Amino acid sequence: GAGVSQSPRYKVAKRGQDVALRCDPISGHVSLFWYQQALGQGPEFLTYFQNEAQLDKSGLPSDRFFAERPEGSVSTLKIQRTQQEDSAVYLCASSSFRENKADTQYFGPGTRLTVL
Amino acid sequence: AQSVSQHNHHVILSEAASLELGCNYSYGGTVNLFWYVQYPGQHLQLLLKYFSGDPLVKGIKGFEAEFIKSKFSFNLRKPSVQWSDTAEYFCAVNARAGNNRKLIWGLGTSLAVNP
Repeated sequence: GAGVSQSPRYKVAKRGQDVALRCDPISGHVSLFWYQQALGQGPEFLTYFQNEAQLDKSGLPSDRFFAERPEGSVSTLKIQRTQQEDSAVYLCASSSFRENKADTQYFGPGTRLTVL
Repeated sequence: AQSVSQHNHHVILSEAASLELGCNYSYGGTVNLFWYVQYPGQHLQLLLKYFSGDPLVKGIKGFEAEFIKSKFSFNLRKPSVQWSDTAEYFCAVNARAGNNRKLIWGLGTSLAVNP
């Protein structure tokens, strides 16, 4: 079946611009995650949704970062007033929620953001 | 704070050589453990996972990993690598505490297999 999709795949922004990154999770997956991966690093957690509820946003680096999932499916990660340090690949993952917490996250291709 | 350490950043092997990539984590409670692989130009894919039970887990493409709780380790192994195993390998850990579901990642290991 279809996997996690993300758009755009590449985004170039001038410093100070706002950007919006979209994630379409696997159909039926109730959990959705956003990660940030800087060059040469492992992914770092940003935020997590269960359906439309944002249950963990402890990884968002500043109040310029905002994520939403209003209908419990598609999610948007918004970055306001982009800075050069925001340049990274932004990964989205989804999983089917399991009560015993033994769920697997499936990743999309990522959006590579370059801030000039 | 929880952390994941991958000991080798770059590994170069010849085909048919054996592979072992180290992964250690810092968390004293129950964990879910994962190895993901990223082939050139592709997205992260699950290689194998450990949730509970037999600490020796087998994944795709002949990979396996062993969870040693006393050593906080989850090392990845393959007895004979192929050129097609050239990729970036990431170890990730989820601490099973409360509603925590985030993955903590290592820095990754870049594996190059020479034909």
